[in-house]
Amino acid sequence: GAGVSQSPRYKVAKRGQDVALRCDPISGHVSLFWYQQALGQGPEFLTYFQNEAQLDKSGLPSDRFFAERPEGSVSTLKIQRTQQEDSAVYLCASREEQGGAEAFFGQGTRLTVV
Amino acid sequence: AQTVTQSQPEMSVQEAETVTLSCTYDTSESDYYLFWYKQPPSRQMILVIRQEAYKQQNATENRFSVNFQKAAKSFSLKISDSQLGDAAMYFCAYRSRIQGAQKLVFGQGTRLTINP
Repeated sequence: GAGVSQSPRYKVAKRGQDVALRCDPISGHVSLFWYQQALGQGPEFLTYFQNEAQLDKSGLPSDRFFAERPEGSVSTLKIQRTQQEDSAVYLCASREEQGGAEAFFGQGTRLTVV
Repeated sequence: AQTVTQSQPEMSVQEAETVTLSCTYDTSESDYYLFWYKQPPSRQMILVIRQEAYKQQNATENRFSVNFQKAAKSFSLKISDSQLGDAAMYFCAYRSRIQGAQKLVFGQGTRLTINP
């Protein structure tokens, strides 16, 4: 595809509900990142994949957050038993190679937990 | 751990004038990348400019340039001839070049308003 695509763009979940957020990176990009951006803040790192391997998940805030990229392309970020503090924009980014400099971002998914 | 600080939550400038956005960072590393990203209301982060720490020359991209002061750990963005389309949130970001350290560390952002 032409860019990083994320779906859905908006998601409203009731507290306690499970959600799944999808990221389609740029074709051929090896590296994929998830970031969480709270209202009025800068993005914060959640997790990083190189192909299908999850090399860094140090930013995941709790064991309710889980990410996968089983075939080294599309990635899903899953949040179980959502809580109000999970409300944020979730940004996905991809990069051509591990050492490459520029990451390309999607438009994010705005999650609101009510 | 690295940190990035943007001390200006909001800035405004008259159209066609010049504005400078400030960024400082903290690191013990000697080789790294620094970035400025623009985030319009559409939420998509757009890379504005990139600086590699080992390069002494300041990066420029058309109307955008940086003042990189490595010893002071300062990385400011200058926007010349400001245009209405420049209005957005601007984020400064750091990335290590150490093998395995791939993530971007962002500052809190500066909201830039352009006055016509």
